[in-house]
Amino acid sequence: EEQLVESGGGLVQPGGSLRLSCAASGFTFSGYWMSWVRQAPGQGLEWLANIKEDGSEKDYVDSVKGRFTISRDNAKNSVFLQMNSLRADDTAVYYCARIPAFAFDVWGQGTVVAVSS
Amino acid sequence: QSVLTQPPSISAVPGQKVGISCSGSSRNIGNNYVSWYQQLPGTAPKLLIYDNDKRPSGIPDRFSGSKSGTSATLGITGLQTGDEADYYCGTWDSSLSAAIFGGGTRVTVL
Repeated sequence: EEQLVESGGGLVQPGGSLRLSCAASGFTFSGYWMSWVRQAPGQGLEWLANIKEDGSEKDYVDSVKGRFTISRDNAKNSVFLQMNSLRADDTAVYYCARIPAFAFDVWGQGTVVAVSS
Repeated sequence: QSVLTQPPSISAVPGQKVGISCSGSSRNIGNNYVSWYQQLPGTAPKLLIYDNDKRPSGIPDRFSGSKSGTSATLGITGLQTGDEADYYCGTWDSSLSAAIFGGGTRVTVL
């Protein structure tokens, strides 16, 4: 079964940092672009970042450029999101997702990030 | 405010057919594939439609997708109580160089 499992969420103070992880199983991880998407409480979906199969290309939404960094380790079948300078409006459920072409076809269960003092 | 516009809510009775619209522009829907996602309460989104009108394995043919110009539509026939969920359209925006989603449509089965 193709599966993604996120971890690393939690409560962090404004200005703090957090590193999210997403472990993949059941498919050839190195053969797919991967992405992070978040959903603030009661709100819609917001795409954050993509990373190419070999990590050579990365894209970010403007609101996180310079603060968030996406990376991957194909040997460990994992994708990461390093989040720095966190703000209250970064509070959300963070999902990792697989992108075979132009759609997000496999999603994790999400990990909750709360930014508050 | 989302770049892609969806109606906030739709309600219908079991068995009815509904359509959820997603309106964009030439920068996004007009020149890129559209996908649709279903998010049941408290769960992660699930892919329903990709490449405008294709269904992944396991998605019933009650769900269909179409695209015309700068708009797309998700159709659901034979509405069931289990279809109560939030539905999102998604695509790529060439000007923003970003993947984008509509604001979501909540479907209520009366």
